Amino acid sequence: GAGVSQTPSNKVTEKGKYVELRCDPISGHTALYWYRQSLGQGPEFLIYFQGTGAADDSGLPNDRFFAVRPEGSVSTLKIQRTERGDSAVYLCASSLTTSPQETQYFGPGTRLLVL
Amino acid sequence: GDSVTQMEGPVTLSEEAFLTINCTYTATGYPSLFWYVQYPGEGLQLLLKATKADDKGSNKGFEATYRKETTSFHLEKGSVQVSDSAVYFCALDSGYSTLTFGKGTMLLVSP
Repeated sequence: GAGVSQTPSNKVTEKGKYVELRCDPISGHTALYWYRQSLGQGPEFLIYFQGTGAADDSGLPNDRFFAVRPEGSVSTLKIQRTERGDSAVYLCASSLTTSPQETQYFGPGTRLLVL
Repeated sequence: GDSVTQMEGPVTLSEEAFLTINCTYTATGYPSLFWYVQYPGEGLQLLLKATKADDKGSNKGFEATYRKETTSFHLEKGSVQVSDSAVYFCALDSGYSTLTFGKGTMLLVSP
């Protein structure tokens, strides 16, 4: 079946602009995760959803970052007043449940470049 | 807090050589441990996992054993192929449903 999809695959924006990144999880997966991967680093956790609610947003770096999952499926990561330091690959993952033993399936990522 | 430390790369090997990529961790409780792989131009894929001490995860000829006493989860393969060239990430989940990753180790296999 279809895997996790993310759009756009690439996004170039100017400092100070607003961006939205979209994630379509695997059908039936209740848990959805956002990670950020900077060049040469491993992914870092941002936020995860169990259903429609954010179960843990402790990884969001500041209040410019916000994410929603209104119907418990698609999620949107929103970044206000973008800064050059926000440039990274934003990864979305989903899993059937939030059990720590459950496999997280990753999307291809959105590469964000802030000029 | 939780952390994962991997050996720095790149690791450069000839085809059919033995591979070890070291991974050690610091975590509260008893985490689940994972190896993810990222092939060139592709997304992260789960390679193998182990959920309790002394478990061995295996897939595609790769193996890793969960060693609680040394807090390690080293990745091994007896004979690497060119197609194994990728970046390998060690990760843990200490029960909070979020993954903590190492920085990744690039593996380059030449014919």
